[in-house]
Amino acid sequence: QVQLQQSGAELAKPGSSVKISCKASGYTFTSYYISWIKQTTGQGLEYIGYINTGSGGTNYNEKFKGKATLTVDKSSSTAFMQLSSLTPDDSAVYYCARYRSGSGHYFDYWGQGVMVTVSS
Amino acid sequence: NIVLTQSPASLAVILGQKATISCTASESVNKFGINLMHWYQQKPGQLPKILIYNEFSRAPGIPARFSGDEAELNFTLTIEPVEADDVATYYCQQGLTFPLTFGSGTKLEIK
Repeated sequence: QVQLQQSGAELAKPGSSVKISCKASGYTFTSYYISWIKQTTGQGLEYIGYINTGSGGTNYNEKFKGKATLTVDKSSSTAFMQLSSLTPDDSAVYYCARYRSGSGHYFDYWGQGVMVTVSS
Repeated sequence: NIVLTQSPASLAVILGQKATISCTASESVNKFGINLMHWYQQKPGQLPKILIYNEFSRAPGIPARFSGDEAELNFTLTIEPVEADDVATYYCQQGLTFPLTFGSGTKLEIK
C-alpha cells in the first residue's frame, strides 16, 4: 500500500535551518510528484510547492521561495524539504503528499506530518 | 491567487441527517469542461484524506454518502446520511492555477 513516512518532530532556534524527509513506499516513486503543504491554526493549509521526483524540477509558491528548498533522492525514494532562516512564523505541521499532476492537481496520499517548532 | 471561501465555518448535524458544506471560488476553476475542485477530510489529530476530486469523483474507498456538486462558482460537499465517524474538518482545494489554494475549512460536529 502507498505510504509516505516523514521524519520526526523538530525543535529549532530562530535563524537556523531544518531538513525534513518523506520516504515513499508501495508505488513507483518516480511516477508521481511529491508536494509539501504547511498547516497552521491561523493560516490553515498552504501549498508550498512540488518536486518532480524523476527530473528534480520544482514549482514553488511565491510565498515560500527562499524559505523552502525541495530536493529528492531517487535511490532511496525519499523527498526532502529544507526550511531556512527560521522564524516563529515557520512553526507549523508540514506534510508531504503524493501529487496527482495530470489528473486535476490534487493530493491523494499524505504523510503523517512533521511538527516544526521554532523557539529560542 | 484563487481564493476559496468556505461556509459555514462550523456546523452541527443530527445523526442520519444531511450536511452541506459550501466552497465559493473567486474565479473559474474549469479546465476543458472539468472543474478542478477537490475535497478533503481531516479527522481530529489525523492527516488530511482525499474524498472527492475533480468536483464529483469519489476517491477509492469513499462511500457514496459523500458527494460533490457545483453551481456557477459555488461548490458543495454533501454528506448524507451523516455518521458519527464523519466528525472532522473538511477542506476544498482548487487545482487550476498555481499556487494551489485551500479553503479555510468547515468543522462538522454531531448535534
